[in-house]
Amino acid sequence: EAQVTQNPRYLITVTGKKLTVTCSQNMNHEYMSWYRQDPGLGLRQIYYSMNVEVTDKGDVPEGYKVSRKEKRNFPLILESPSPNQTSLYFCASSTRAASYNEQFFGPGTRLTVL
Amino acid sequence: AQSVTQLDSQVPVFEEAPVELRCNYSSSVSVYLFWYVQYPNQGLQLLLKYLSGSTLVKGINGFEAEFNKSQTSFHLRKPSVHISDTAEYFCAVPWNTGFQKLVFGTGTRLLVSP
Repeated sequence: EAQVTQNPRYLITVTGKKLTVTCSQNMNHEYMSWYRQDPGLGLRQIYYSMNVEVTDKGDVPEGYKVSRKEKRNFPLILESPSPNQTSLYFCASSTRAASYNEQFFGPGTRLTVL
Repeated sequence: AQSVTQLDSQVPVFEEAPVELRCNYSSSVSVYLFWYVQYPNQGLQLLLKYLSGSTLVKGINGFEAEFNKSQTSFHLRKPSVHISDTAEYFCAVPWNTGFQKLVFGTGTRLLVSP
């Protein structure tokens, strides 16, 4: 089954404790992206990647890191999480032309930073 | 940079009634436009998209949208909603021509009651 998977689905952590949210897709997509969803703000893009070793900042990259060492994986790293990073996070992927092709979304990761 | 505005944060409607969810975009260039739906506790999935051609676009689950260039709108409609249509709906547009980045609206929550 074609899908985007994220782990963990739920995470409660404390300020400053490094964490990684994994994202993997099995559709051989070049483009992958991370979004955060907050009430009243919709989805905002954190980082995106056009292909292996090619990443770029989205609208809200501060406090986040990403890497794209393999085509299928695009982990999101929070080196020192803070309470304002409490949010619902989505990973998405699409074929190269993301501006006019469908993006496939993972099920989401709900992160709480205390 | 392009942007989208969803004027209604929440739309309550009774089952079998028609519904229209509004989306306005800002752009002076050719646009691609998308509607995504997020069912409770799930990721987003594509409802429909406009790239070119006919201004009336049909999507999944009986939804359709009309691209109106003069009014810079892309409103989503359904003639008769079901309880199962209860979800959050997002309008999206590429950030700029040639950029592989989508900008999402703040979302409209459709609440269908019996």
